Amino acid sequence: GEDVEQSLFLSVREGDSSVINCTYTDSSSTYLYWYKQEPGAGLQLLTYIFSNMDMKQDQRLTVLLNKKDKHLSLRIADTQTGDSAIYFCAESMDTGGFKTIFGAGTRLFVKA
Amino acid sequence: NAGVTQTPKFQVLKTGQSMTLQCAQDMNHNSMYWYRQDPGMGLRLIYYSASEGTTDKGEVPNGYNVSRLNKREFSLRLESAAPSQTSVYFCASSEASRQETQYFGPGTRLLVL
Repeated sequence: GEDVEQSLFLSVREGDSSVINCTYTDSSSTYLYWYKQEPGAGLQLLTYIFSNMDMKQDQRLTVLLNKKDKHLSLRIADTQTGDSAIYFCAESMDTGGFKTIFGAGTRLFVKA
Repeated sequence: NAGVTQTPKFQVLKTGQSMTLQCAQDMNHNSMYWYRQDPGMGLRLIYYSASEGTTDKGEVPNGYNVSRLNKREFSLRLESAAPSQTSVYFCASSEASRQETQYFGPGTRLLVL
């Protein structure tokens, strides 16, 4: 069945790079997403990548996709305390309509 | 342009009480969704509406009903609340295009005693 898995916690020091990893099972994914959830708020889209791309860079964010291993990662360069949040990986699939599956989220702690 | 709005923000219910969570979007999106978020379990889809006039069950529909009142509004009803329904509920909407970014509301925190 479809599943998206992420580790639950990551702790980094301010100024270091953070790498949040995600694995997914469905090979028919069309787009893969990273969402950010700050405390007490809903999810907001950070970035997404089309499934035929290997990499996407957007300022401090780099998304890497290894389609063979079904592995997605989000790298945040120069991590700041404001980056502390929960990061959700998600995949969408064309199943006749479109269906999106979310991972459980990785809580990023940034230590000053 | 408020995006996705949800009411109420917080609610405390007793077991067996009923309530309706309201959601509205002003982005002219076709699709709308209701999720619940529980610690360590991420987001689980309760119900969704691919377009006005249609609703479908998601992963965890038991104990809930929905109404797609019009293109803007999608409500979630708990007919007889149970402690297991204590959760944070998020409404979301999307254009239902191939690149399906979902836009989320701020959430409703529900406690069932």
